[in-house]
Amino acid sequence: GAVVSQHPSRVICKSGTSVKIECRSLDFQATTMFWYRQFPKQSLMLMATSNEGSKATYEQGVEKDKFLINHASLTLSTLTVTSAHPEDSSFYICSAPTSSGNTDTQYFGPGTRLTVL
Amino acid sequence: SQQGEEDPQALSIQEGENATMNCSYKTSINNLQWYRQNSGRGLVHLILIRSNEREKHSGRLRVTLDTSKKSSSLLITASRAADTASYFCATQMDSSYKLIFGSGTRLLVRP
Repeated sequence: GAVVSQHPSRVICKSGTSVKIECRSLDFQATTMFWYRQFPKQSLMLMATSNEGSKATYEQGVEKDKFLINHASLTLSTLTVTSAHPEDSSFYICSAPTSSGNTDTQYFGPGTRLTVL
Repeated sequence: SQQGEEDPQALSIQEGENATMNCSYKTSINNLQWYRQNSGRGLVHLILIRSNEREKHSGRLRVTLDTSKKSSSLLITASRAADTASYFCATQMDSSYKLIFGSGTRLLVRP
């Protein structure tokens, strides 16, 4: 099946710094990718839809200036957590549907665990 | 936003027993999917059931969908210790690919 990777898998940063997380589709092109956040023992909450060549679409309550999304190519979307604070510590997961015409199939990355000190 | 709730929140069973998890959702859907997540890991897609389907099987998994009640159930038969994980339902409302996840069930299968 298709593979989605994320980098880094873990990151620890100081409060106030910015952190960039990459999501790559390794063997297929993805015009759309999704970013989720998951707090411990909770479900995945959709943050935004990343669209190649256009602006991301953010879910209600998600600050677009805080969570910058750039989908610069058909295989890469980046999520930048700007001026991170301890409450931003979470597990961030991306997903990408294949462009095979089957709208049902999505592939998830392994996740990035962000810890803000 | 979350589409709905899953119950139970946590389930502990003995190896060999069956595990049933339920998912309820709020809006009309295109399909409903079940995923498994091992602790601290990514998601593994288990099974998809479309809105015009009522039941689907895959190996030891059986999924039902009742669109009139806006609910689905996942049955894992003859459970194994390796089935220990969190299980999430996710609904897709239209052709936009967007998935909305339920609250999840944490399953513990005791050897």
